[in-house]
Amino acid sequence: SQTIHQWPATLVQPVGSPLSLECTVEGTSNPNLYWYRQAAGRGLQLLFYSVGIGQISSEVPQNLSASRPQDRQFILSSKKLLLSDSGFYLCAWSGRGGKGYEQYFGPGTRLTVT
Amino acid sequence: SQKIEQNSEALNIQEGKTATLTCNYTNYSPAYLQWYRQDPGRGPVFLLLIRENEKEKRKERLKVTFDTTLKQSLFHITASQPADSATYLCALDASGGYQKVTFGTGTKLQVIP
Repeated sequence: SQTIHQWPATLVQPVGSPLSLECTVEGTSNPNLYWYRQAAGRGLQLLFYSVGIGQISSEVPQNLSASRPQDRQFILSSKKLLLSDSGFYLCAWSGRGGKGYEQYFGPGTRLTVT
Repeated sequence: SQKIEQNSEALNIQEGKTATLTCNYTNYSPAYLQWYRQDPGRGPVFLLLIRENEKEKRKERLKVTFDTTLKQSLFHITASQPADSATYLCALDASGGYQKVTFGTGTKLQVIP
């Protein structure tokens, strides 16, 4: 069966510090991968998605970046965090083609920028 | 501009009744629509997908309808239970190819015993 891991679960970082969140998927190959952010009481905002190694599409201009160094690894980064970067960060994967359009989410990372 | 609206931020319903949640959209032509459940502090969990050529989909106590003319989906939970209390999100196909979806802000359902 497929599983998706995210770490860390919670993170408190000062403004201006760097960020690296990691997501890995097991039990599937060549997935589509996604990073979302959910601010308190708000909906899910798609930040980045990837259809393959090294292929990243950005949805929202911001100080965040994403990379996919391996097929089942997706990393969200920032060089300098802003207060507005606080939120619940979720990684998700979906299959390709066929009937597999649903997305499967990881447990999330709660980021607080102070 | 494109917009997805879920009928209300919160919905309270008595146990055993049918809960009906609404998802309306404008300026989209989705090939499919999805419903997810999200519990506090957790990631969303996929429930149902319905395609543009399907009128209705069922899974156990769940039923989803999709009316592309009205640009609306209804999500029903029959014989609701307190364990059904959660936030329910609709999501629309927003890509036409890359399986990218746009989520609504959700409706928080509270089933009262």
